[in-house]
Amino acid sequence: QSVLTQPPSVSGAPGQRVTISCTGSSSNIGAGYDVHWYQQLPGTAPKLLIYGNSNRPSGVPDRFSGSKSGTSASLAITGLQAEDEADYYCQSYDSSLSGDNYVFGTGTKVTVL
Amino acid sequence: QLQLQESGPGLVKPSETLSLTCTVSGGSISSSSYYWGWIRQPPGKGLEWIGSIYYSGSTYYNPSLKSRVTISVDTSKNQFSLKLSSVTAADTAVYYCARHWYIVGALSVGWFDPWGQGTLVTVSS
Repeated sequence: QSVLTQPPSVSGAPGQRVTISCTGSSSNIGAGYDVHWYQQLPGTAPKLLIYGNSNRPSGVPDRFSGSKSGTSASLAITGLQAEDEADYYCQSYDSSLSGDNYVFGTGTKVTVL
Repeated sequence: QLQLQESGPGLVKPSETLSLTCTVSGGSISSSSYYWGWIRQPPGKGLEWIGSIYYSGSTYYNPSLKSRVTISVDTSKNQFSLKLSSVTAADTAVYYCARHWYIVGALSVGWFDPWGQGTLVTVSS
């Protein structure tokens, strides 16, 4: 039902680099709307990780980085750590015939091997 | 440090109205720089934006929920509230409130930070 598609899961060993894709369309990411990313640790509320495609809020390690191109965006985690095991969601804005709406991605579970 | 806390009944009967309140502390809900939003997450599923409100009372809602949603604000109590009518089991979810950042003149550039801890609302008879 979500208009932003993410891979259900990605995994990596400690220290490795993993990337999470967020694929949209011409009514959201492709229309130029910004993409934001959230981390949700087990049993907790989502936490803002990246805003405005590539900006990190104060306190977020520079191991996390975001980018956007065309109708997709990506979140990269370098130097993967055990504490990074969580669900990650992208978020953008969608403007279509059915109305304007803030939309979230389907979510990706990151597993640290 | 801004904090948000959701409160309200954890169990609502089908066809009734779900009512939740978000209390904001550590900052003023009357700030001109932010909206205030509600987001929900069904158990084991993804996130869905419900709607947002400005301190003046200006609102906008998810088109798929608009007919059933009312969000209001009480600046004297530093609170904003959610009402969702005619609930069904599909409305069972953890409901979060959050500060909604936006760019003046560009509501489309919006993100949510911080979030409350969330409250589980179950719709069941």
